[in-house]
Amino acid sequence: KQEVTQIPAALSVPEGENLVLNCSFTDSAIYNLQWFRQDPGKGLTSLLLIQSSQREQTSGRLNASLDKSSGRSTLYIAASQPGDSATYLCAVLNQAGTALIFGKGTTLSVSS
Amino acid sequence: KAGVTQTPRYLIKTRGQQVTLSCSPISGHRSVSWYQQTPGQGLQFLFEYFSETQRNKGNFPGRFSGRQFSNSRSEMNVSTLELGDSALYLCASSSPPGQGILSYNEQFFGPGTRLTVL
Repeated sequence: KQEVTQIPAALSVPEGENLVLNCSFTDSAIYNLQWFRQDPGKGLTSLLLIQSSQREQTSGRLNASLDKSSGRSTLYIAASQPGDSATYLCAVLNQAGTALIFGKGTTLSVSS
Repeated sequence: KAGVTQTPRYLIKTRGQQVTLSCSPISGHRSVSWYQQTPGQGLQFLFEYFSETQRNKGNFPGRFSGRQFSNSRSEMNVSTLELGDSALYLCASSSPPGQGILSYNEQFFGPGTRLTVL
Protein backbone atom coordinates (compact mmCIF):
# COMPACT_ATOMS: atom_id res chain seq x y z
CA LYS A 1 0.00 0.00 0.00
CA GLN A 2 1.45 3.35 -1.06
CA GLU A 3 2.28 5.75 1.77
CA VAL A 4 3.45 9.33 1.37
CA THR A 5 5.30 11.17 4.12
CA GLN A 6 6.20 14.84 4.28
CA ILE A 7 8.85 16.30 6.52
CA PRO A 8 8.80 18.68 8.30
CA ALA A 9 5.14 19.07 9.27
CA ALA A 10 5.66 22.79 9.88
CA LEU A 11 8.37 25.28 9.01
CA SER A 12 8.89 28.94 9.90
CA VAL A 13 11.48 31.03 8.05
CA PRO A 14 12.31 34.71 7.61
CA GLU A 15 11.62 36.37 4.28
CA GLY A 16 14.33 35.86 1.68
CA GLU A 17 15.47 32.46 2.87
CA ASN A 18 15.81 29.49 0.51
CA LEU A 19 14.09 26.35 1.76
CA VAL A 20 13.51 22.69 0.94
CA LEU A 21 10.41 20.63 1.59
CA ASN A 22 10.73 16.86 1.59
CA CYS A 23 8.40 14.13 0.41
CA SER A 24 8.95 10.37 0.48
CA PHE A 25 6.84 7.52 -0.88
CA THR A 26 7.03 3.78 -0.32
CA ASP A 27 6.16 2.36 -3.77
CA SER A 28 8.17 3.54 -6.77
CA ALA A 29 5.49 2.34 -9.22
CA ILE A 30 3.92 5.76 -9.74
CA TYR A 31 2.47 7.52 -12.76
CA ASN A 32 3.63 10.98 -11.72
CA LEU A 33 4.14 13.23 -8.70
CA GLN A 34 2.49 16.59 -8.09
CA TRP A 35 3.17 19.36 -5.62
CA PHE A 36 0.21 21.45 -4.53
CA ARG A 37 -0.34 24.55 -2.47
CA GLN A 38 -3.36 24.98 -0.22
CA ASP A 39 -4.36 28.21 1.49
CA PRO A 40 -6.56 27.93 4.61
CA GLY A 41 -10.08 26.78 3.76
CA LYS A 42 -9.36 26.73 0.04
CA GLY A 43 -8.90 24.15 -2.67
CA LEU A 44 -5.58 22.90 -4.04
CA THR A 45 -3.46 24.79 -6.54
CA SER A 46 -1.13 22.70 -8.68
CA LEU A 47 2.44 23.97 -8.49
CA LEU A 48 4.53 21.43 -10.35
CA LEU A 49 4.02 18.04 -11.94
CA ILE A 50 6.90 15.62 -12.53
CA GLN A 51 6.38 12.67 -14.85
CA SER A 52 7.77 9.38 -13.55
CA SER A 53 10.46 9.47 -16.26
CA GLN A 54 11.61 13.00 -15.34
CA ARG A 55 14.09 14.11 -12.72
CA GLU A 56 13.00 17.68 -12.10
CA GLN A 57 10.68 20.53 -13.04
CA THR A 58 11.03 24.26 -12.53
CA SER A 59 8.53 27.09 -12.38
CA GLY A 60 9.73 30.53 -11.37
CA ARG A 61 11.20 30.34 -7.86
CA LEU A 62 10.10 26.72 -7.47
CA ASN A 63 12.09 23.63 -8.38
CA ALA A 64 10.93 20.08 -7.74
CA SER A 65 13.06 16.97 -8.06
CA LEU A 66 12.12 13.31 -8.23
CA ASP A 67 14.22 10.27 -7.41
CA LYS A 68 11.93 7.32 -8.02
CA SER A 69 14.48 4.70 -7.05
CA SER A 70 14.83 6.11 -3.55
CA GLY A 71 11.17 7.18 -3.30
CA ARG A 72 11.94 10.83 -2.70
CA SER A 73 10.97 14.24 -3.99
CA THR A 74 11.99 17.69 -2.86
CA LEU A 75 10.42 21.08 -3.44
CA TYR A 76 12.92 23.93 -3.39
CA ILE A 77 11.60 27.45 -2.87
CA ALA A 78 14.06 30.24 -3.57
CA ALA A 79 13.98 33.67 -1.93
CA SER A 80 10.85 32.96 0.11
CA GLN A 81 8.17 35.68 0.49
CA PRO A 82 5.32 36.15 3.00
CA GLY A 83 2.91 35.29 0.18
CA ASP A 84 4.44 31.81 0.08
CA SER A 85 2.87 31.06 3.47
CA ALA A 86 0.54 28.10 2.93
CA THR A 87 0.38 24.33 3.27
CA TYR A 88 2.36 22.43 0.64
CA LEU A 89 1.14 18.98 -0.29
CA CYS A 90 2.94 16.26 -2.16
CA ALA A 91 0.91 13.59 -3.97
CA VAL A 92 1.74 10.59 -6.12
CA LEU A 93 -0.60 9.38 -8.83
CA ASN A 94 -0.98 5.61 -8.83
CA GLN A 95 0.32 3.72 -11.84
CA ALA A 96 -3.18 3.30 -13.28
CA GLY A 97 -3.53 7.07 -13.20
CA THR A 98 -6.78 6.97 -11.26
CA ALA A 99 -5.98 8.03 -7.68
CA LEU A 100 -3.73 10.53 -5.91
CA ILE A 101 -2.18 9.52 -2.61
CA PHE A 102 -1.33 12.54 -0.50
CA GLY A 103 1.10 13.30 2.26
CA LYS A 104 -0.13 15.23 5.30
CA GLY A 105 1.56 18.40 4.09
CA THR A 106 4.11 20.93 5.31
CA THR A 107 2.70 24.19 6.69
CA LEU A 108 5.07 27.00 5.78
CA SER A 109 5.11 30.39 7.48
CA VAL A 110 7.31 33.15 6.03
CA SER A 111 7.72 36.21 8.22
CA SER A 112 8.56 39.67 6.92
CA LYS B 1 -10.60 28.20 -19.73
CA ALA B 2 -12.86 27.94 -16.69
CA GLY B 3 -11.58 25.87 -13.80
CA VAL B 4 -13.23 23.07 -11.87
CA THR B 5 -16.43 24.24 -10.20
CA GLN B 6 -18.15 22.70 -7.21
CA THR B 7 -21.60 23.38 -5.82
CA PRO B 8 -22.68 24.12 -3.23
CA ARG B 9 -19.69 25.67 -1.49
CA TYR B 10 -21.10 25.18 2.00
CA LEU B 11 -23.64 22.77 3.45
CA ILE B 12 -25.00 22.16 6.91
CA LYS B 13 -26.87 18.91 7.51
CA THR B 14 -27.98 16.87 10.47
CA ARG B 15 -27.14 13.28 11.26
CA GLY B 16 -29.14 10.75 9.27
CA GLN B 17 -29.78 13.06 6.33
CA GLN B 18 -28.33 12.56 2.89
CA VAL B 19 -26.45 15.03 0.71
CA THR B 20 -25.51 15.42 -2.96
CA LEU B 21 -22.48 17.38 -4.08
CA SER B 22 -21.82 18.44 -7.66
CA CYS B 23 -18.63 18.91 -9.66
CA SER B 24 -18.18 20.34 -13.15
CA PRO B 25 -14.75 19.53 -14.65
CA ILE B 26 -12.60 21.68 -16.87
CA SER B 27 -14.00 21.68 -20.39
CA GLY B 28 -12.66 18.69 -22.30
CA HIS B 29 -11.59 16.74 -19.21
CA ARG B 30 -13.25 13.35 -18.93
CA SER B 31 -11.74 12.10 -15.67
CA VAL B 32 -13.24 13.30 -12.40
CA SER B 33 -12.12 12.19 -8.96
CA TRP B 34 -13.31 13.00 -5.45
CA TYR B 35 -11.37 13.43 -2.21
CA GLN B 36 -12.29 13.96 1.43
CA GLN B 37 -10.12 16.24 3.55
CA THR B 38 -10.27 16.20 7.35
CA PRO B 39 -7.81 17.57 9.92
CA GLY B 40 -7.11 14.11 11.29
CA GLN B 41 -6.87 11.98 8.15
CA GLY B 42 -5.74 14.56 5.62
CA LEU B 43 -6.74 14.07 1.99
CA GLN B 44 -8.21 10.67 1.16
CA PHE B 45 -9.30 9.35 -2.23
CA LEU B 46 -13.00 8.51 -2.59
CA PHE B 47 -13.53 7.47 -6.22
CA GLU B 48 -12.66 8.26 -9.82
CA TYR B 49 -14.83 8.29 -12.93
CA PHE B 50 -13.92 8.32 -16.59
CA SER B 51 -16.50 8.35 -19.36
CA GLU B 52 -19.31 7.57 -16.91
CA THR B 53 -17.49 4.50 -15.51
CA GLN B 54 -16.09 4.20 -12.01
CA ARG B 55 -12.49 3.07 -12.48
CA ASN B 56 -11.30 3.19 -8.90
CA LYS B 57 -12.77 3.42 -5.41
CA GLY B 58 -11.14 4.27 -2.11
CA ASN B 59 -11.68 2.65 1.26
CA PHE B 60 -14.95 4.31 2.24
CA PRO B 61 -18.26 2.74 3.32
CA GLY B 62 -21.06 2.15 0.85
CA ARG B 63 -22.85 5.26 2.14
CA PHE B 64 -20.54 7.17 -0.20
CA SER B 65 -21.46 6.86 -3.85
CA GLY B 66 -20.98 8.79 -7.02
CA ARG B 67 -21.79 8.98 -10.67
CA GLN B 68 -20.71 10.75 -13.80
CA PHE B 69 -22.90 12.06 -16.57
CA SER B 70 -22.32 12.04 -20.32
CA ASN B 71 -21.13 15.68 -20.17
CA SER B 72 -18.47 14.59 -17.62
CA ARG B 73 -20.13 16.41 -14.74
CA SER B 74 -20.07 14.33 -11.58
CA GLU B 75 -22.07 14.05 -8.39
CA MET B 76 -21.29 12.34 -5.13
CA ASN B 77 -23.88 11.31 -2.60
CA VAL B 78 -23.53 10.56 1.07
CA SER B 79 -26.46 8.83 2.72
CA THR B 80 -27.23 8.50 6.43
CA LEU B 81 -24.81 11.24 7.39
CA GLU B 82 -22.61 10.81 10.47
CA LEU B 83 -20.78 13.45 12.49
CA GLY B 84 -17.50 12.11 11.14
CA ASP B 85 -18.53 12.95 7.58
CA SER B 86 -17.92 16.64 8.32
CA ALA B 87 -15.12 17.55 5.95
CA LEU B 88 -14.01 19.50 2.91
CA TYR B 89 -14.93 17.50 -0.19
CA LEU B 90 -12.71 18.21 -3.16
CA CYS B 91 -13.19 17.32 -6.77
CA ALA B 92 -10.42 17.11 -9.35
CA SER B 93 -10.48 16.74 -13.10
CA SER B 94 -7.78 15.65 -15.48
CA SER B 95 -7.07 14.85 -19.07
CA PRO B 96 -5.65 11.32 -19.27
CA PRO B 97 -3.01 10.53 -21.90
CA GLY B 98 -4.34 10.05 -25.35
CA GLN B 99 -6.98 12.70 -24.88
CA GLY B 100 -4.89 15.50 -26.25
CA ILE B 101 -1.49 16.99 -26.79
CA LEU B 102 0.62 17.39 -23.64
CA SER B 103 -1.92 15.45 -21.65
CA TYR B 104 0.10 14.48 -18.60
CA ASN B 105 -2.76 13.49 -16.30
CA GLU B 106 -2.23 16.63 -14.22
CA GLN B 107 -4.97 16.91 -11.61
CA PHE B 108 -6.79 20.24 -11.25
CA PHE B 109 -8.85 20.81 -8.15
CA GLY B 110 -12.00 22.78 -7.46
CA PRO B 111 -12.55 25.02 -4.41
CA GLY B 112 -14.33 22.28 -2.49
CA THR B 113 -17.63 21.88 -0.66
CA ARG B 114 -17.47 22.36 3.11
CA LEU B 115 -19.92 19.90 4.69
CA THR B 116 -20.83 20.26 8.35
CA VAL B 117 -22.90 17.53 9.98
CA LEU B 118 -24.63 18.47 13.23
